[in-house]
Amino acid sequence: ETGVTQTPRHLVMGMTNKKSLKCEQHLGHNAMYWYKQSAKKPLELMFVYSLEERVENNSVPSRFSPECPNSSHLFLHLHTLQPEDSALYLCASSRQVTLNTEAFFGQGTRLTVV
Amino acid sequence: ELKVEQNPLFLSMQEGKNYTIYCNYSTTSDRLYWYRQDPGKSLESLFVLLSNGAVKQEGRLMASLDTKARLSTLHITAAVHDLSATYFCAAGGSNYKLTFGKGTLLTVNP
Repeated sequence: ETGVTQTPRHLVMGMTNKKSLKCEQHLGHNAMYWYKQSAKKPLELMFVYSLEERVENNSVPSRFSPECPNSSHLFLHLHTLQPEDSALYLCASSRQVTLNTEAFFGQGTRLTVV
Repeated sequence: ELKVEQNPLFLSMQEGKNYTIYCNYSTTSDRLYWYRQDPGKSLESLFVLLSNGAVKQEGRLMASLDTKARLSTLHITAAVHDLSATYFCAAGGSNYKLTFGKGTLLTVNP
């Protein structure tokens, strides 16, 4: 248990569906992140939020839409996804969005797009 | 652009043996992290290395950082089955971003 909780753990969705991934951290951190982990690829940073403000959008397609209503919660809204979007989506948090802060990861949501 | 390369990507070793995983990065980095991931589980932070020459040890794992060579190593001593997992290194650049390696899948056989 790292203090970062993601739901659901598994999700299967069709290409026309709309779904959301949820992340919650209980660590009092100010920064939250979405990463994508695909088979045989390094982890890819998707979005970074610091105190509910988005500070990074790493060239992610608009079919992925993040939302950070407060510093403890982070969502990833999904719509009209493609099969190649199937991956493990990991949420992480850190004390600050600054140098030398350690990131703590959630267990991930395994997403399958059919 | 910071790039991180780990090798080997796959490592099968016998219990009791020693081995080293290497992590090279392409540009200046002031921090290096090692993570462990078990199948279907989250990434677990193992080590944070923040200065040249830093060495940290936890049980059978020891990590080191040489910023001049742009190299970090994760040394495994007398491996046991419980160490089987995927190990990632990640390097930080001049901003808050972390760039991850592809990971090393370690299998320790009895």
